[in-house]
Amino acid sequence: AQSVSQHNHHVILSEAASLELGCNYSYGGTVNLFWYVQYPGQHLQLLLKYFSGDPLVKGIKGFEAEFIKSKFSFNLRKPSVQWSDTAEYFCAGGSGTSYGKLTFGQGTILTVHP
Amino acid sequence: DTEVTQTPKHLVMGMTNKKSLKCEQHMGHRAMYWYKQKAKKPPELMFVYSYEKLSINESVPSRFSPECPNSSLLNLHLHALQPEDSALYLCASSQDRRSSYNLPLHFGNGTRLTVT
Repeated sequence: AQSVSQHNHHVILSEAASLELGCNYSYGGTVNLFWYVQYPGQHLQLLLKYFSGDPLVKGIKGFEAEFIKSKFSFNLRKPSVQWSDTAEYFCAGGSGTSYGKLTFGQGTILTVHP
Repeated sequence: DTEVTQTPKHLVMGMTNKKSLKCEQHMGHRAMYWYKQKAKKPPELMFVYSYEKLSINESVPSRFSPECPNSSLLNLHLHALQPEDSALYLCASSQDRRSSYNLPLHFGNGTRLTVT
């Protein structure tokens, strides 16, 4: 079965620390991968997406993610976090043949202390 | 602010009530989705409409009945719900679903549903 898993349930960092959130997927064939962010009381917003091509994907707000096919991973990174990055982060994936059918990971709550 | 509007924001209903959730988008998207999100859980897909036709139903109980009256509107009709159906119901849209390049999804703020 297709699945997406996130390793960390809750990550706590201080401002200016570097961030890496893990995401692994299990899909056969072509895969589309996304990172969404949900700020407290707000809707899910797209941070970045990977469909094909350059495995290093840059998104909004200084986030990037790297697709590593051999590791079935799509980890989210940011070199220096800010207090305003406090939110819940979801990795999501869909197979290239099941359009519109996204599976979400369990989510990672990021708390950034000033 | 999101470009996908959901109403109401909060809804409390009894198990014998009939209610509807509404979703609207004016981005010209031709695919619309209903997701359900329980507390501390990720969103789970319920239904997908593509060009106003139901294309995916994730084995959702019949007490949830989706409707897509036109390309901008998506409804979810609720009848005889159970307390365990209490959750955040999210609507989303995408350009269409026939090509993966037309993802990603744009989400609304959700309707917080409580079934008593």
